[in-house]
Amino acid sequence: EVQLVNSGGGSVQPGGSLRLSCAASGFTFSSYAMFWVRQAPGKGLEFVSAISGNGGNTYYADSLKDRFTISRDNSKNTLYLQMGSLTADDMAVYYCARATDLWGSPNWPLDNWGQGTLVTVSS
Amino acid sequence: DIQMTQSPSSLSASVGDRVTITCRASQDIIRSLAWYQQKPGKVPTLLIYGASALRSGVPSRFSGSGSGTDFTLTISSLQLEDVGTYYCQMYKSAPFTFGQGTKLEIK
Repeated sequence: EVQLVNSGGGSVQPGGSLRLSCAASGFTFSSYAMFWVRQAPGKGLEFVSAISGNGGNTYYADSLKDRFTISRDNSKNTLYLQMGSLTADDMAVYYCARATDLWGSPNWPLDNWGQGTLVTVSS
Repeated sequence: DIQMTQSPSSLSASVGDRVTITCRASQDIIRSLAWYQQKPGKVPTLLIYGASALRSGVPSRFSGSGSGTDFTLTISSLQLEDVGTYYCQMYKSAPFTFGQGTKLEIK
């Protein structure tokens, strides 16, 4: 069974940093592109970032590429999102998700999602 | 970047009604479009991919159509359990944009 377990969320002050993790199991992690998608309270889904299966290619929402960094450790079956210079606009539930293509391309839909982790930005 | 415009933003219909949600891309995305359902308080789930392919296990009352820039999600006979918010997403190229969502309620 595919499982994606989000962690690392919490409360951070404006201007602070946070690293989110997503532990994967039940599939060959290195074969699949992975995504971060966020959802602010009461709002819709927003693409944040994606990374190819081998980690060689990364993709970002234009407004976030200077502050967020996606990475993965295929030896640990774990996806990361390093977030910096956080503001109130970054407050959201952050989901990791798996793209369906087993050749590692991100140009596919998202068939499995983690439970999400809440990031709160407040002084 | 490709923008995705979804309509309507909210919809109220009766059980048994036929429901249609549309999604328009600002550029040709061929058929690289997915639909997701998010029930209240839950994680999104994939319903349809490739504009019209039904994911295994999804009820056949759900269907998708379209290509190029205009796409449609149809629920042929609305059920109580279909309440939630529906999102389109294009995956032709980064950034992999979502539509704004359509909140579906039962009358």
